[in-house]
Amino acid sequence: AQTVTQSQPEMSVQEAETVTLSCTYDTSENNYYLFWYKQPPSRQMILVIRQEAYKQQNATENRFSVNFQKAAKSFSLKISDSQLGDTAMYFCAFMKIMYSGGGADGLTFGKGTHLIIQP
Amino acid sequence: AAGVIQSPRHLIKEKRETATLKCYPIPRHDTVYWYQQGPGQDPQFLISFYEKMQSDKGSIPDRFSAQQFSDYHSELNMSSLELGDSALYFCASSLEGVNTEAFFGQGTRLTVV
Repeated sequence: AQTVTQSQPEMSVQEAETVTLSCTYDTSENNYYLFWYKQPPSRQMILVIRQEAYKQQNATENRFSVNFQKAAKSFSLKISDSQLGDTAMYFCAFMKIMYSGGGADGLTFGKGTHLIIQP
Repeated sequence: AAGVIQSPRHLIKEKRETATLKCYPIPRHDTVYWYQQGPGQDPQFLISFYEKMQSDKGSIPDRFSAQQFSDYHSELNMSSLELGDSALYFCASSLEGVNTEAFFGQGTRLTVV
């Protein structure tokens, strides 16, 4: 079984600042995906960014980027030029890749980091 | 673009009653996942289906069952409801083998009183 740890229950930064959310995970799998999901007050789960473990290049998506350190099992999210709309719960999630006969493994989530962007 | 549709959006049931939650995946998506998110908690994976067959099982109680139908929609049946079953239930869908991104529905908020 895998575990995902987010050590920052809450973070608060000023608008336009850069913030980094940390995530570590533990797994014996070699091939997997890592995700960051955003959950605003509406409770909708929104995919922010995805990283395939076999790719060395860190994923980026506009103002969002990750620092993926496979050996250290670390997967942090950096938000640049933070905006008020970034205020939300952020969940780090892990999914192992299933090869045989298709099929889908569920996501394992961390406990989340509540990010507050102050005006 | 069409999204994942869950119904009902809100549901209030009494203890020991039964509830059925429905999920309609994005067209052409063949995989459905169910998650339970308690108040202030992270989502917990319950069960998934791929091509109408159960694919993976998480922390789903024995009182709960689910299936995926020929049109790919899925239903989560919950019996003998307990107060602790009060939660937000998410359904997500994906297209296996093509795109691992799971798109989430807006959730069904179940309150057991």
